[in-house]
Amino acid sequence: EPEVTQTPSHQVTQMGQEVILRCVPISNHLYFYWYRQILGQKVEFLVSFYNNEISEKSEIFDDQFSVERPDGSNFTLKIRSTKLEDSAMYFCASRRRTAKNIQYFGAGTRLSVL
Amino acid sequence: KQEVTQIPAALSVPEGENLVLNCSFTDSAIYNLQWFRQDPGKGLTSLLLIQSSQREQTSGRLNASLDKSSGRSTLYIAASQPGDSATYLCAVPTPNAGGTSYGKLTFGQGTILTVHP
Repeated sequence: EPEVTQTPSHQVTQMGQEVILRCVPISNHLYFYWYRQILGQKVEFLVSFYNNEISEKSEIFDDQFSVERPDGSNFTLKIRSTKLEDSAMYFCASRRRTAKNIQYFGAGTRLSVL
Repeated sequence: KQEVTQIPAALSVPEGENLVLNCSFTDSAIYNLQWFRQDPGKGLTSLLLIQSSQREQTSGRLNASLDKSSGRSTLYIAASQPGDSATYLCAVPTPNAGGTSYGKLTFGQGTILTVHP
């Protein structure tokens, strides 16, 4: 069964460093998402991406964050200058066409900012 | 603004029991509702998606019901097993401010289920 793949599974970085989290969505999907989950808290929406542009972003997704789909398969989340509070599990998700379709999630990248 | 709440926060049951997890949402104008399972430190596995036009959806020992008008969904797990131990999350697609996009999911905080042998 097709799946959403995320790399790395765990990323450790120093505060102020840039990180890039990578995702390979399911191949025939059109909508792509990033969510994050701080330990012990709810899963929160960060950004959605469709037709090579951001379709919606949350208040969390400030100028330190960016997303890119550099080729036909990868979808990346970049954090320009990491803060301690960026430590969280980051999930990538994708879905086919409409909001009626299931969103499929990757296994996540655990980001630890020291 | 859509708010999703799950009750109880944690549940511990002996193996073999049937159990019900509850999810409520404040805005009943939803397309669907999705139930997920999350194992500790792991990703989200979709269990069931129930469309707004449906009242029930079944997969194996799992049965999800949806009552849009009252803003509630339940996940029924029959004959629970230790392998069912995980956090169960519900989520609904929520529109953006302009109402033009319904893609992002709003999640509840989850129910931590422990099934002991």
